[in-house]
Amino acid sequence: DTEVTQTPKHLVMGMTNKKSLKCEQHMGHRAMYWYKQKAKKPPELMFVYSYEKLSINESVPSRFSPECPNSSLLNLHLHALQPEDSALYLCASSRIHDSNQPQHFGDGTRLSIL
Amino acid sequence: GQQVMQIPQYQHVQEGEDFTTYCNSSTTLSNIQWYKQRPGGHPVFLIQLVKSGEVKKQKRLTFQFGEAKKNSSLHITATQTTDVGTYFCAGPEAGSYQLTFGKGTKLSVIP
Repeated sequence: DTEVTQTPKHLVMGMTNKKSLKCEQHMGHRAMYWYKQKAKKPPELMFVYSYEKLSINESVPSRFSPECPNSSLLNLHLHALQPEDSALYLCASSRIHDSNQPQHFGDGTRLSIL
Repeated sequence: GQQVMQIPQYQHVQEGEDFTTYCNSSTTLSNIQWYKQRPGGHPVFLIQLVKSGEVKKQKRLTFQFGEAKKNSSLHITATQTTDVGTYFCAGPEAGSYQLTFGKGTKLSVIP
């Protein structure tokens, strides 16, 4: 069982749809992350929130829009995605944003763009 | 940015054989972390190494951090089918608070 909860587990959407991915943790962690993982590849960082503020945006296209409503929640809003955006989207958290901190991952959302 | 190189990319072993994956960096690392991702699963944190020459064990898994803190290894003794998955090392990106993941080693265990 993971302490980071992601919903939905699977999502199929068309290129014109708008959807959101959700992530929740109750470990009191103040850093939360969005990663994209393609098959047979390592997780690729998209965004980092530190103390509810966007800290890192790894040049992610604007069709991905993150939001951190509070210290426990992290959303990723999706709009006008492309087929190449199909991937596993992982949320992670750590106590603080520091490379010395282990990251706890959620189960991920498997996203398919039609 | 910082790159953490990991080899081999794939390893197939007979159940009961040993397995080792290696991680190398061109610069000194403040720490190195190891994660395991089962097929269809998510990365799970295994361990963190911080000190030069550090060795840590978890049952059949032995983790080492090199004396120069530029390389690390994960050794599994007498593999079991439950060891199947991809093992990632992750080190800090130079000048950043962010972790960089190696490409991973995918372990297959033949019963």
